[in-house]
Amino acid sequence: EAQVTQNPRYLITVTGKKLTVTCSQNMNHEYMSWYRQDPGLGLRQIYYSMNVEVTDKGDVPEGYKVSRKEKRNFPLILESPSPNQTSLYFCASSPWNLGYGYTFGSGTRLTVV
Amino acid sequence: DAKTTQPNSMESNEEEPVHLPCNHSTISGTDYIHWYRQLPSQGPEYVIHGLTSNVNNRMASLAIAEDRKSSTLILHRATLRDAAVYYCILRGQGGSEKLVFGKGTKLTVNP
Repeated sequence: EAQVTQNPRYLITVTGKKLTVTCSQNMNHEYMSWYRQDPGLGLRQIYYSMNVEVTDKGDVPEGYKVSRKEKRNFPLILESPSPNQTSLYFCASSPWNLGYGYTFGSGTRLTVV
Repeated sequence: DAKTTQPNSMESNEEEPVHLPCNHSTISGTDYIHWYRQLPSQGPEYVIHGLTSNVNNRMASLAIAEDRKSSTLILHRATLRDAAVYYCILRGQGGSEKLVFGKGTKLTVNP
C-alpha cells in the first residue's frame, strides 16, 4: 500500500532531550515536507526537501533540523526540544510532477514538558 | 502570510451541493490550485487540483475563474463524511515547494 509512515504516533518528552521523528514513504516521491499544526494556527510548513540532499526552510524552521540522505526517508530532528514545540506534526510526500497532490502521514503528537 | 483566503466556516445539509470558495488574487501564471481536506484526528487528504480548466474527479469538482483569481470546490452531494476542514493552496513551478496552507474552511454537514 502506498503510504507515508511516521513514528512515533505519540511522544512525551522533557525539555532539552534530543529526539527524532521518523518519516518514510514507499512511493519513490521526490518531494517531502514537514508541517506542524496548532489550534487556531492551521498547518505551517517547517522544512521541505525537493530531492536527496536538497532541503530548505519553510515558514517555521527555528528549533528543527532535517536531513534527506535517502529518497524514502526525511527525519525531523529536535536537538533541544522546548514546550513551545508541543504540537501535532505531519510529514508529506509528493512526486515532482505538480499534477499530483501530497500524501500525508497520520501525524505525530508531541508533548514537551 | 497565506496566499489564499477562505471563509472560516460553512454549513450544509446532507445530500445538498456545497460550494467552497477560495480567493487567490496574487496567483501567478504557473501556480496550480490544490485542495485538501482534513477529517477530525487525521492527516490532510488530497482532493483535487487544477491549473486553468475546470476539473472533475470522483471526490469533487473544481471550478476556476477565468482570471484564475478565485476558485470553488464543489461537493455535489454532501454526506456526513464530508465534514472536515478544507484547505485551498497554491503550488507553483519554479523550484520551491514552500507551501502556505492557511486556516481553511470548516465544513459542517447537518443530517
